[in-house]
Amino acid sequence: GDSVTQTEGLVTLTEGLPVMLNCTYQTIYSNPFLFWYVQHLNESPRLLLKSFTDNKRTEHQGFHATLHKSSSSFHLQKSSAQLSDSALYYCALSNYQLIWGSGTKLIIKP
Amino acid sequence: EAAVTQSPRNKVAVTGGKVTLSCNQTNNHNNMYWYRQDTGHGLRLIHYSYGAGSTEKGDIPDGYKASRPSQENFSLILELATPSQTSVYFCASGATGGQNTLYFGAGTRLSVL
Repeated sequence: GDSVTQTEGLVTLTEGLPVMLNCTYQTIYSNPFLFWYVQHLNESPRLLLKSFTDNKRTEHQGFHATLHKSSSSFHLQKSSAQLSDSALYYCALSNYQLIWGSGTKLIIKP
Repeated sequence: EAAVTQSPRNKVAVTGGKVTLSCNQTNNHNNMYWYRQDTGHGLRLIHYSYGAGSTEKGDIPDGYKASRPSQENFSLILELATPSQTSVYFCASGATGGQNTLYFGAGTRLSVL
């Protein structure tokens, strides 16, 4: 069946360094939608960005991701981490149902 | 901004008791979902609905029932609560179509003692 893999359960970075959170997926569908949701402490998940266009960079709130169907990847990146980026990040795949990755906890230290 | 309201926000229940978690959305979304979130497991789908009167089993439905009496309301029912159901529960709504965003409620923290 379809699946989403986030290899890092925990990523700890120093403020100002670049962020990259990995997301790969498996699906039989040729046109999946990929999402990144962010969940700050004691809050609920909310959409960060989404894409279904191959090789097109999508940006929001300083983060960006590019869907690469050739490698089945949708990695989340940011050029310079901020303390406020500390949160839980979920990658998700949608065909007819939303399939969630296990999440990556990002901790940014001063 | 889409609005999803959950009640109660916190609940302490006894083992074997009945618990009802309520969710209301004012977005006129067809689809509604119940998830639980536990450390190490991420978001796991319990039940979902495509509209009033419909409920579908998600990935972990055992021990839970769901009810969708109207477009706006979607309840999660634990007939016989167990300590293993201690968790944070999120309700979400979304429009029909795979490209659409899910909007989450604030969550209910349930403790079963």
